[in-house]
Amino acid sequence: ETGVTQTPRHLVMGMTNKKSLKCEQHLGHNAMYWYKQSAKKPLELMFVYSLEERVENNSVPSRFSPECPNSSHLFLHLHTLQPEDSALYLCASSQGQGGLETQYFGPGTRLLVL
Amino acid sequence: SQKIEQNSEALNIQEGKTATLTCNYTNYSPAYLQWYRQDPGRGPVFLLLIRENEKEKRKERLKVTFDTTLKQSLFHITASQPADSATYLCAVLGNQGGKLIFGQGTELSVKP
Repeated sequence: ETGVTQTPRHLVMGMTNKKSLKCEQHLGHNAMYWYKQSAKKPLELMFVYSLEERVENNSVPSRFSPECPNSSHLFLHLHTLQPEDSALYLCASSQGQGGLETQYFGPGTRLLVL
Repeated sequence: SQKIEQNSEALNIQEGKTATLTCNYTNYSPAYLQWYRQDPGRGPVFLLLIRENEKEKRKERLKVTFDTTLKQSLFHITASQPADSATYLCAVLGNQGGKLIFGQGTELSVKP
């Protein structure tokens, strides 16, 4: 169904935990993205990687740390999160980084911070 | 700052009718506008892209218009079906680099 996979699909963590979200794209794309989606709010762009280089860091708190080891994989490392960080975290990829590029999204990780 | 607004209230229509969703933007003149569909528990799926010099674009039962004077895009689904029930998001190219700015989405419910 989708060329972008995300694991885990659901995650519950305490505020002192450390966890990582994983994203993998099988589409041969050059750009990858992390978005946060909270209820009734627009998607918030968090990070953009183009050719494995971070090109966008949208004023995201340092408790979120992205990693892009290669063009197919993207991670989001989480530590000392807050309850307000509970949301759906979506990964996306695109061929390039321009506005004409269609973004392909993964199914998301539903995160609950207790 | 750039702002995109979509109908915040859910849209409920009867099967077979035409659904019309709106996307308004302010403080910006995007060159492109995209529409996505999102089902519960899933990521958004791309539907259509329209350029500023294209007044209208169609794909099967879908039609998108782009009025740069009104700063508005309309998304129409003709002969709607219950399977069209989902949240529909519009997105425009931000004026800083290649990032997309999304609206909050409109939830459409098509009743049989």
